[in-house]
Amino acid sequence: EIVLTQSPATLSLSPGERATLSCRASQSVGSDLAWYQQKPGQPPRLLIYDASNRATGIPARFSGGGSGTDFTLTISSLEPDDFAVYYCQQRRNWPLTFGGGTKVEIQ
Amino acid sequence: EVHLVESGGGLVKPGGSLRLSCAASGFTFSTYNVNWVRQAPGKGLEWVSSITDSSDSRLYADSVKGRFTISRDNAKNSLYLQMNSLGAEDTAVYYCARSPGSSWLFDYWGQGTLVTVSS
Repeated sequence: EIVLTQSPATLSLSPGERATLSCRASQSVGSDLAWYQQKPGQPPRLLIYDASNRATGIPARFSGGGSGTDFTLTISSLEPDDFAVYYCQQRRNWPLTFGGGTKVEIQ
Repeated sequence: EVHLVESGGGLVKPGGSLRLSCAASGFTFSTYNVNWVRQAPGKGLEWVSSITDSSDSRLYADSVKGRFTISRDNAKNSLYLQMNSLGAEDTAVYYCARSPGSSWLFDYWGQGTLVTVSS
């Protein structure tokens, strides 16, 4: 099983600041990595697929990078609506696995 | 517009069974792979099971293998999850999610249905 480790667990930032979230895989997943955003009481929303492609309707302030075992999700300038939990997910191998999540909270 | 609506959750005793349903609309259900993903209260996301568009392939997490069965009825645009031998560790919100193409990522999600296993 591919283990995805997200860091930090919590990121405390202010609106307008840049957020950089990390996802590290226990073995290479190539570019088969996605990022999701989840707000309380809501299902997750797909943000990024194939490591760096924005999903439909996702603002340009969200960007993804990396390949192999190290990936980042960057939010260039945090909007109030961006404070949420973010998960990475790999689809390279079965079982499909998610990272433990990074909570982006308002400082 | 794509819609996925789960139903069938509720309170069940340990060792009991439950069948979840997911009604799909707004897309050609029969051409998409679909999945169940769950989230225990206050915890992260856990993939549970996936089924291909024609039901040729069904995959399960080790944690549910032998207890849960995924199925679909393309004529009814519906996905199902039969859950047997439920334990407290199965308590979670269960989401139905669509996968585009053969990607096995999740581009649309339902709102989820809560399953609580407790005596």
